[in-house]
Amino acid sequence: KQEVTQIPAALSVPEGENLVLNCSFTDSAIYNLQWFRQDPGKGLTSLLLIQSSQREQTSGRLNASLDKSSGRSTLYIAASQPGDSATYLCAAYSNSGYALNFGKGTSLLVTP
Amino acid sequence: DTEVTQTPKHLVMGMTNKKSLKCEQHMGHRAMYWYKQKAKKPPELMFVYSYEKLSINESVPSRFSPECPNSSLLNLHLHALQPEDSALYLCASSHVIGGNEQYFGPGTRLTVT
Repeated sequence: KQEVTQIPAALSVPEGENLVLNCSFTDSAIYNLQWFRQDPGKGLTSLLLIQSSQREQTSGRLNASLDKSSGRSTLYIAASQPGDSATYLCAAYSNSGYALNFGKGTSLLVTP
Repeated sequence: DTEVTQTPKHLVMGMTNKKSLKCEQHMGHRAMYWYKQKAKKPPELMFVYSYEKLSINESVPSRFSPECPNSSLLNLHLHALQPEDSALYLCASSHVIGGNEQYFGPGTRLTVT
C-alpha cells in the first residue's frame, strides 16, 4: 500500500514569508498526486493535481513539484498571507488508480 | 461548476436511529466516493462508485449502506451506528476512476449519541 508522509506536522510563519511543505511517498509507481487545503471542520479544497508525467504545476502563488524517483513532492507557497492558514494534505494515487492515500497533513499558521 | 454538495451539514442521531446522508454533483462525473474523517486524521476511503455501480468497499461495516440512484446522486444510509462512528463524512467525485482529480464536498458532521 502507498504510504504518504508529510513533514512538518505543523508550521508557523510570519506573513510575507515563502514556505515549502514536504510530502514523501513509498511507491514510486505513482499515478498522480494531489494537494488539498482543509479549513477546520470543512471539506477539502483541491489545490493542484500533478500527473505522473509532469514535474510541476503552478496556480497563482502555489507551485507543486513531483519527483517520482526520490518519492517526493513539495508545495511552495509564495508571499504567505494569514488567509493561507489551514491544514494542507498531500494525497497520492497508487497505480491501481482508484485510491487516494493521504498524508496526515501539515497545519500551517501564518501570523500577521 | 466544480461543486459537490452534501446534506445535511450536521446530524445528531441515536444508536437506534436510521438516517441518510446525501451527496450531489452536476459535473458529469461518473465516479463518486465516500470518505470518513476523524478529528485530526486524514480522510479514509469507504466506498467507490463507478458508473452507478459499487466498485470498492473498503471493508466497511454493514451498518453503513451506500446507494447511487443515478449519476449525480450518492447516498449513505446509516443504521444502528456506534458512538465511535462519529466523524466528518466527506463525499467526492471525479471524471472517472483512475487518478482523475477528485473534488470534495463540505462534509456532514455526524454525532452518534
